[in-house]
Amino acid sequence: ILNVEQSPQSLHVQEGDSTNFTCSFPSSNFYALHWYRWETAKSPEALFVMTLNGDEKKKGRISATLNTKEGYSYLYIKGSQPEDSATYLCAFPTGNQFYFGTGTSLTVIP
Amino acid sequence: NAGVMQNPRHLVRRRGQEARLRCSPMKGHSHVYWYRQLPEEGLKFMVYLQKENIIDESGMPKERFSAEFPKEGPSILRIQQVVRGDSAAYFCASSPGPSGQPQHFGDGTRLSIL
Repeated sequence: ILNVEQSPQSLHVQEGDSTNFTCSFPSSNFYALHWYRWETAKSPEALFVMTLNGDEKKKGRISATLNTKEGYSYLYIKGSQPEDSATYLCAFPTGNQFYFGTGTSLTVIP
Repeated sequence: NAGVMQNPRHLVRRRGQEARLRCSPMKGHSHVYWYRQLPEEGLKFMVYLQKENIIDESGMPKERFSAEFPKEGPSILRIQQVVRGDSAAYFCASSPGPSGQPQHFGDGTRLSIL
């Protein structure tokens, strides 16, 4: 069993604030790192698949960076909006399995 | 352009009964994953299947649980002789290829055991 850890567990920010959170994963045998967004009562939705050390991906106000040597990825949200409220999951595939973190629950307060 | 379809959305069973959960992957996807989410916990990998093959079932409990993905039809997760501890949300995800591809999730089946 691998440890994929996310921090913080939950986060409350004011509308308009920028925020970021972390996913830590084993730095050996790296293949890819996935980020998903999971809104309440919906299914997880893929945000990014990151494969290269130093990679940075962007989707609107959301971006992510990757450091495979030290085993972490950051997810940034610029100018948070209430519709960004969701749980953000990272997943680390190894072999045939995906190991998911427990997520960061983000609440954006209007 | 249907996404991943899971049914039923909610399933109630009494202890000792069988539960069958279905998952139809996205069109063109031949890789299917099943996950379980216990109350207050994250998603836990159960099994990875391709058409007619179980690739990795190391996350499945050894007894009472089985999965299949036949040549025709949906993938089935089957739980025999259910117990209260099986109460959970079960999610299916599909992808067009292995772990470098993003997974597309269904809405899950909420299984409640009375």
